[in-house]
This record gives sequence, structure tokens and C-alpha cells, in this order.
Amino acid sequence: AQSVAQPEDQVNVAEGNPLTVKCTYSVSGNPYLFWYVQYPNRGLQFLLKYITGDNLVKGSYGFEAEFNKSQTSFHLKKPSALVSDSALYFCAVRDGNRDDKIIFGKGTRLHILP
Amino acid sequence: ETGVTQSPTHLIKTRGQQVTLRCSSQSGHNTVSWYQQALGQGPQFIFQYYREEENGRGNFPPRFSGLQFPNYSSELNVNALELDDSALYLCASSLLIGSTDTQYFGPGTRLTVL
Repeated sequence: AQSVAQPEDQVNVAEGNPLTVKCTYSVSGNPYLFWYVQYPNRGLQFLLKYITGDNLVKGSYGFEAEFNKSQTSFHLKKPSALVSDSALYFCAVRDGNRDDKIIFGKGTRLHILP
Repeated sequence: ETGVTQSPTHLIKTRGQQVTLRCSSQSGHNTVSWYQQALGQGPQFIFQYYREEENGRGNFPPRFSGLQFPNYSSELNVNALELDDSALYLCASSLLIGSTDTQYFGPGTRLTVL
């Protein structure tokens, strides 16, 4: 069965510091991994995805994520946090053997402190 | 913005009533998925439509049904509303059907069941 775990409900980071939002996953087939961000009263915005190839994926707004197959992780990172990065972040996984559902984690709220 | 729109923005219904939520996908997107996001949770997959046929379904009862139309619009219908149906309902469209394709989300419809 597919599953995604985001172990931290909330992450606090000072502006200008690097940030990491953690995600681990479980699928039976090849994992296709996604990060989305949700601002208040808005839908989900796509940040980046890993399908195959380079384990370091670069996305929107300076975010990147590192795929680690042995640790079944796909952590979201940014070298220097901005206050405007404060939002709810969702990791999601799709089983490569399926073409329908995406499974989302429960989300991590990121607070960037000025 | 993603080019995916949803209506209405907010809706209040009473238990036992029926509701129809609408989504307009990006032009050319043949696939639409619907998700339910309860407060404090990640989105849960309801079902997906591809070229007007249901392509997959999550763990939701049959009172949740959908339609997809040739003009890239779709509907989510929920019969016999229950209090637990109160949530943000998100639709997401994608260009192709396939596990690697990115889903683009609308802003959602907030449904409150009293």
C-alpha cells in the first residue's frame, strides 16, 4: 500500500537560515514523488517532482528536494528561508504501477521567523 | 495561478441534503481528480476521471459521484450529506493520464454541513 509520512507537524526557521521539511514514503512500485505548498484559503501549488534521474530535484521559488532510495525519503530544502515561505507543505507519492491516485502526507506547517 | 477554477467558493448545507460542486480544468487537460481535505489533514483521493470515464476511486462511498464533460468541466456530487462531509474539496487536472504527470489544483470549495 502507498503511504507518506511527514513526521513534523510544524517547523520553525529563522529568516535567512536553511530549511528542511522531512518526508518518507512507502510504495510497492517505482515512487513518483511530489511537493506541494498551500497558502491560507488557497488550493495546492505544485513545487517540484521526482520521476527519475538526478536525485536532487530543483523546483519553484528556490526549493529543491533530495530523493534517497535507501532511506525512502524525499526531503524538501531551501538554502535561505524567506518569511513569505511560511505556509503548509505537503509531500505526495504516486505508485508507478498506478495512474490514478496520489497519496498525500498530513502536511507540515513551516514558520519562517523574521 | 493554475488555470483550474472551482465554484462555489463556499457552501453551507444541512445533513441529508445533496450538493454539486463544479470544476473547470485547464484547456486540453483530459484528466480530473477530486480530493477531500478535512481540517488539519492532507487531501484524500476521491476519484479520477479520464475522457469522461471513471478511472480510479478511493475509499469513499457511492454517494460520492462525479461527471466529466467534453468541455473540460467536471462535477462532484454528494448525496445524503453527513456532518463528516464538511471539508475543503479540491479538484486537480492534468494533461495526460499517467503516474508521472503533474496535477494542477484549483482553489477548492469549502463545504460546511450543519
